[in-house]
Amino acid sequence: RKEVEQDPGPFNVPEGATVAFNCTYSNSASQSFFWYRQDCRKEPKLLMSVYSSGNEDGRFTAQLNRASQYISLLIRDSKLSDSATYLCVVNSIGAGGTSYGKLTFGQGTILTVHP
Amino acid sequence: DADVTQTPRNRITKTGKRIMLECSQTKGHDRMYWYRQDPGLGLRLIYYSFDVKDINKGEISDGYSVSRQAQAKFSLSLESAIPNQTALYFCATQGGANVLTFGAGSRLTVL
Repeated sequence: RKEVEQDPGPFNVPEGATVAFNCTYSNSASQSFFWYRQDCRKEPKLLMSVYSSGNEDGRFTAQLNRASQYISLLIRDSKLSDSATYLCVVNSIGAGGTSYGKLTFGQGTILTVHP
Repeated sequence: DADVTQTPRNRITKTGKRIMLECSQTKGHDRMYWYRQDPGLGLRLIYYSFDVKDINKGEISDGYSVSRQAQAKFSLSLESAIPNQTALYFCATQGGANVLTFGAGSRLTVL
């Protein structure tokens, strides 16, 4: 089983739609979770961190479910400019429970928003 | 200037050649990483360094080596390039709250 898994998509949605992505992780001791966004042929950039209580940033909402070991990203009122690959990122835990801060990426979910 | 700069941005080389990809950062971060990205596989960690004297192998370090010349510089070398090392390579630094800042990437093609 991969350490971090995402549905690769692609997701094709019309402008204004609501779309959600899930990401599962295998290490129950993981402590830090993130969503990154990557545009075609560009570097990944942080979209948002994911907090235990869930968090929202404008049209974007991130949730963490520790019991089921998944995180989610919800995008409301999709814009054309939201078209990108969304990467789920989880940190790794070392021996003794120490957080090395080494981050593992999912393979990414491709989103295309069309007019 | 970018916070994380990678050179070269594009490189085409032949099998068996030695290649070095360079990364420099102005963020003052101790932690630096090298990833490669292949279609459908996401980013995979090659090597990481938590300070100048600390270098660690990632999940796919075979065929690669690194050098941390200074806090600001972290180079990736392919001693004898092979075609399956054709990929997009990213350098990143890690700051507070484990957030990564990436360079623009180095696209390597091995013929």
